[in-house]
Amino acid sequence: AQSVAQPEDQVNVAEGNPLTVKCTYSVSGNPYLFWYVQYPNRGLQFLLKYITGDNLVKGSYGFEAEFNKSQTSFHLKKPSALVSDSALYFCAVRGEYNFNKFYFGSGTKLNVKP
Amino acid sequence: DGGITQSPKYLFRKEGQNVTLSCEQNLNHDAMYWYRQDPGQGLRLIYYSQIVNDFQKGDIAEGYSVSREKKESFPLTVTSAQKNPTAFYLCASSISVHAGNIQYFGAGTRLSVL
Repeated sequence: AQSVAQPEDQVNVAEGNPLTVKCTYSVSGNPYLFWYVQYPNRGLQFLLKYITGDNLVKGSYGFEAEFNKSQTSFHLKKPSALVSDSALYFCAVRGEYNFNKFYFGSGTKLNVKP
Repeated sequence: DGGITQSPKYLFRKEGQNVTLSCEQNLNHDAMYWYRQDPGQGLRLIYYSQIVNDFQKGDIAEGYSVSREKKESFPLTVTSAQKNPTAFYLCASSISVHAGNIQYFGAGTRLSVL
């Protein structure tokens, strides 16, 4: 079965500090991994994806994510957090053998304090 | 939220009433999706469509129905059989169902029961 786990409901960081939002996955075959961000009462916005190649993926707004196959993880990172980064972040996965569906994690609320 | 328009933004349903949520896209995408979002549960797939005149049930299709008569339109009907319809509903589209394709989301419709 395919699934995504985001173990932290909430992450709190101070502005200017690095941030990490964790994601682990379970999928048949090679994974296709995505990060999305959601602001209140809005749809999801795409941040970045991993399909193949370099394990470090760079995306929008200075975010990056590191794919680790042995740990089945795809953690989202940013070197220096901004207050405007405060939002709900979702990790999602598709498997190469069942690519009709995205499987989303439950979301992690990021709070960046001034 | 790109070229995906969801309407209305807020919708109220009376007991025993069917309501229809609209989703229109001008991205020329073949694939379209409906998700339900509840607090702390992430996104759950209701229905998806790979192409016009075709659609498939997702993980929580009971009490919902869809149609795909035009490429740009994928309306969702919440029927009276759906006993707990209060949620945030998100429509998405992608170029195709290929695993690496990004899903683009509308701004959502918040449905409440009167």
